[in-house]
Amino acid sequence: SQKIEQNSEALNIQEGKTATLTCNYTNYSPAYLQWYRQDPGRGPVFLLLIRENEKEKRKERLKVTFDTTLKQSLFHITASQPADSATYLCALDNGYSSASKIIFGSGTRLSIRP
Amino acid sequence: GAGVSQSPSNKVTEKGKDVELRCDPISGHTALYWYRQSLGQGLEFLIYFQGNSAPDKSGLPSDRFSAERTGGSVSTLTIQRTQQEDSAVYLCASSLGSIRGLVRSPLHFGNGTRLTVT
Repeated sequence: SQKIEQNSEALNIQEGKTATLTCNYTNYSPAYLQWYRQDPGRGPVFLLLIRENEKEKRKERLKVTFDTTLKQSLFHITASQPADSATYLCALDNGYSSASKIIFGSGTRLSIRP
Repeated sequence: GAGVSQSPSNKVTEKGKDVELRCDPISGHTALYWYRQSLGQGLEFLIYFQGNSAPDKSGLPSDRFSAERTGGSVSTLTIQRTQQEDSAVYLCASSLGSIRGLVRSPLHFGNGTRLTVT
């Protein structure tokens, strides 16, 4: 069955360091991979989308990589700040049909300490 | 310019009762999703509507769960004979959907309905 795993439930790092979150998947061939941020009591908010034929995507302090051979995506936040503390979710879909659904990983809770 | 709206924001119900959760998507969004999120967990896919196509109901956990989308807009998720294990946050999301060959539109989420079954 399709499975998405995010490397750890929680990650604690020092302010200013780079946070790296991992998303691995099995039994799936996604055409797109997305990353979302979720704050307590709120719905997830879209951050970045990367296609299967793209190796890397950047947006300000965020960087996403997508390796379809390793079946893995890495999500980096450089120069991390306490305001980056949240849960980060990866999401996959094959996108080849308008009928394809989007499925999510369980999330990684990131805490940035001052 | 409103986002996705869900109501109620909180619902407490007794075991065995039926509940209806409502989602108002962003105007013009053809795709609508329902997910369930238990405490500290990820998002569990429930059902997906895309335009006039038959919905993908593959994530509904039992026949007590059903959903409708009227006129391609508002959606209602109904849970019959609620059980304690149904307690969770139910999230709705909408998007412009996907057209073959074009980039997948991201999801816009509401803030969810927190359902508590006592």
